Amino acid sequence: SQTIHQWPATLVQPVGSPLSLECTVEGTSNPNLYWYRQAAGRGLQLLFYSVGIGQISSEVPQNLSASRPQDRQFILSSKKLLLSDSGFYLCAWSLPLAVQETQYFGPGTRLLVL
Amino acid sequence: QKEVEQDPGPLSVPEGAIVSLNCTYSNSAFQYFMWYRQYSRKGPELLMYTYSSGNKEDGRFTAQVDKSSKYISLFIRDSQPSDSATYLCAMTPSGNTGKLIFGQGTTLQVKP
Repeated sequence: SQTIHQWPATLVQPVGSPLSLECTVEGTSNPNLYWYRQAAGRGLQLLFYSVGIGQISSEVPQNLSASRPQDRQFILSSKKLLLSDSGFYLCAWSLPLAVQETQYFGPGTRLLVL
Repeated sequence: QKEVEQDPGPLSVPEGAIVSLNCTYSNSAFQYFMWYRQYSRKGPELLMYTYSSGNKEDGRFTAQVDKSSKYISLFIRDSQPSDSATYLCAMTPSGNTGKLIFGQGTTLQVKP
């Protein structure tokens, strides 16, 4: 069966500091991978998605970036965090080339920027 | 206007009640519809998915899609306190677009 991991679970960072969140998927090959942000009381905002190693599509221009150095590894980064970057960050995966676009989510990372 | 509208609630019901959760949408190209359940401080988990119009039942949960009205529903029968969570609807056009459009989520509280 497939599992998805995210770490860290919780992170408190000062404004202006760098960020690196990691997501890994087990039990499947060449998954589509996604990064979402969920602000308090709001829906999920798609930030990035990837259909393969080194292939990243950005949905929202901002000071965040994503990379996919390995097939089942997805990293969300920032060089300098802003207060507005606080939120709940979720990684998700889906089957490649699947007509049914069902996505499966990880446990999330709660980020607080102070 | 948002592509997907969902009343954020909160919705509070007594244990055993039938719960109706709804979403409306504006894009007639949506073909696949999903419901996710999200417990506090956890990632969303897939609850139900349906393709095009019709009903789908799974235990106490029933998902309905009415494409003519651009309206989807999730019914929970015999609701339990463990059903207390935020319910998110999501939808996408046909094909592997890589993009799910989510509603804001409805917070449900089932009181014992």
